[in-house]
Amino acid sequence: GAVVSQHPSRVICKSGTSVKIECRSLDFQATTMFWYRQFPKQSLMLMATSNEGSKATYEQGVEKDKFLINHASLTLSTLTVTSAHPEDSSFYICSARGQGPYNEQFFGPGTRLTVL
Amino acid sequence: AQSVAQPEDQVNVAEGNPLTVKCTYSVSGNPYLFWYVQYPNRGLQFLLKYITGDNLVKGSYGFEAEFNKSQTSFHLKKPSALVSDSALYFCAVRGAIKAAGNKLTFGGGTRVLVKP
Repeated sequence: GAVVSQHPSRVICKSGTSVKIECRSLDFQATTMFWYRQFPKQSLMLMATSNEGSKATYEQGVEKDKFLINHASLTLSTLTVTSAHPEDSSFYICSARGQGPYNEQFFGPGTRLTVL
Repeated sequence: AQSVAQPEDQVNVAEGNPLTVKCTYSVSGNPYLFWYVQYPNRGLQFLLKYITGDNLVKGSYGFEAEFNKSQTSFHLKKPSALVSDSALYFCAVRGAIKAAGNKLTFGGGTRVLVKP
């Protein structure tokens, strides 16, 4: 149990385009989803926290208009990187938390974004 | 504010020897402590957690960790390391108080290299 998937696993895009990353909880309902960014050889940096049906809460320094987060259902959250630039290239990891036995963060496998 | 320190960027150990990865933390109230492992280009895999109870926590793949309240430490240990244990290890903490939003704070990570 407690499986979280991400799609795509890797994406390469041109500068200026937008990219959408999906995060799904496969076998539990995720009341909260978290989006992290990880630079090479560095730790995870929390970007935002989203609760189902409400607006995401962004961490300080994270541009909400740049990184659009939608958590429209209890099993799906999406992160859209708008007008991507090379400096947005990174490894993006989501996690999902539910209720009861799922009341901890379960992590997805990550998405490698490369912006050319 | 909560924080986690992993003082060693890298730990080298010979296969079959004991492995220790250090972690100290700072948090208000009682801590919830976690260890995760990350293989290249992969998401985080949960190893173990301490919530309450016995100070020695046993987890996946033969790993264990000891919670030491007086030293605010939660070091990860394995009695006999395997080459396949070579990976990046993260310690994380969150406070038991819900007001913190259940946010996890990660340490900087420790790379473990097990040599045959």
